[in-house]
Amino acid sequence: EAGVTQSPTHLIKTRGQQATLRCSPISGHTSVYWYQQALGLGLQFLLWYDEGEERNRGNFPPRFSGRQFPNYSSELNVNALELEDSALYLCASSLLRRSLSPNYGYTFGSGTRLTVV
Amino acid sequence: SQQGEEDPQALSIQEGENATMNCSYKTSINNLQWYRQNSGRGLVHLILIRSNEREKHSGRLRVTLDTSKKSSSLLITASRAADTASYFCATDTGNQFYFGTGTSLTVIP
Repeated sequence: EAGVTQSPTHLIKTRGQQATLRCSPISGHTSVYWYQQALGLGLQFLLWYDEGEERNRGNFPPRFSGRQFPNYSSELNVNALELEDSALYLCASSLLRRSLSPNYGYTFGSGTRLTVV
Repeated sequence: SQQGEEDPQALSIQEGENATMNCSYKTSINNLQWYRQNSGRGLVHLILIRSNEREKHSGRLRVTLDTSKKSSSLLITASRAADTASYFCATDTGNQFYFGTGTSLTVIP
């Protein structure tokens, strides 16, 4: 079974540009979560999508946005990039939150490392 | 903020020793999970403990949960060099997952 895949692995952008990050969840998972992990810091919640809709949003400015497609894959868009946006962006997927199982947990992708110069 | 905090921030032990890391959180939870992250890569789910459970084992891992103190601990027994990684706790409030700040574990061969 393929895991959560993220692309690209690395992305270098110039300040002011836009970045698009992509995530494909595990087959059967309908929820996708985005987290930002700046160097040396913990994971900061960005966005949660389920069944194509944004369910929750973290404390990030509106220039961080995204969407979920009918096949449950997701995009994270960061507009007007700033130097402090440089971070590892992690995507995770899970079964519907109400469908808890004994081993329920997030499955994470390997991340996209975004560098803003 | 609900975000949990791990303690200690960094831990260095000899191979074969046990490693204990703690997590504290602020509000009621449905469950608490522990994850491992190697060198800035994706996180790997280790173990989940529900709010009505007090202790859980998985291989060399032992997790405890004290909801009255809003804290959890992760014990790794007989540590190995391959256990070197950052460990994060994540609390599920039913509406959101919040990750702690992580404990960086170094196991010295």
